[in-house]
Amino acid sequence: DQQVKQNSPSLSVQEGRISILNCDYTNSMFDYFLWYKKYPAEGPTFLISISSIKDKNEDGRFTVFLNKSAKHLSLHIVPSQPGDSAVYFCAASGGFSGGYNKLIFGAGTRLAVHP
Amino acid sequence: DVKVTQSSRYLVKRTGEKVFLECVQDMDHENMFWYRQDPGLGLRLIYFSYDVKMKEKGDIPEGYSVSREKKERFSLILESASTNQTSMYLCASSLGGGYSYNEQFFGPGTRLTVL
Repeated sequence: DQQVKQNSPSLSVQEGRISILNCDYTNSMFDYFLWYKKYPAEGPTFLISISSIKDKNEDGRFTVFLNKSAKHLSLHIVPSQPGDSAVYFCAASGGFSGGYNKLIFGAGTRLAVHP
Repeated sequence: DVKVTQSSRYLVKRTGEKVFLECVQDMDHENMFWYRQDPGLGLRLIYFSYDVKMKEKGDIPEGYSVSREKKERFSLILESASTNQTSMYLCASSLGGGYSYNEQFFGPGTRLTVL
């Protein structure tokens, strides 16, 4: 039973265009959401997060949108650059975690940005 | 600069061997985690620890055990390795207590192959 779903295993985007990565969740107790980026042979690195009290958070080229009623979040990258090519994981936390900061990860979306 | 290190980048073991994966963090974090990453499944939590000598089962603890004798070190043990434990293993750490910011810092991963 996947509580966090990334339904697109891969995405290909042209350099300079917008990349939109999507994530759906099922547990209404989740109150904090994060995006991690992973290059091959490296561990995931934190990219951006959003609390459930917000519907948007921006950091440079990266913006995360949260739609709580739809239990959906998305990561927008504008403009996309070749160095953004990586696997992106959506993760969720809260409620059940008991303060231990457990994260539930999605399966990941592989983004390829081509010239 | 935060750092999580894992003892090996690549490891090849035989079925039935006892395997130790070591993880060390230098951030004085309370929480430490072990995940495995498999294609199409994302990161799945095996075990986590919120304090020295404390541990909690994650989503897939079967076939694994852990040890946390010191705050900075968290070990994952495969008591009798099997081929279905061939995977990428990732260690992470995070601040503990009541922090709402749940960022986890990851090590580079250990690619384990069980023959």
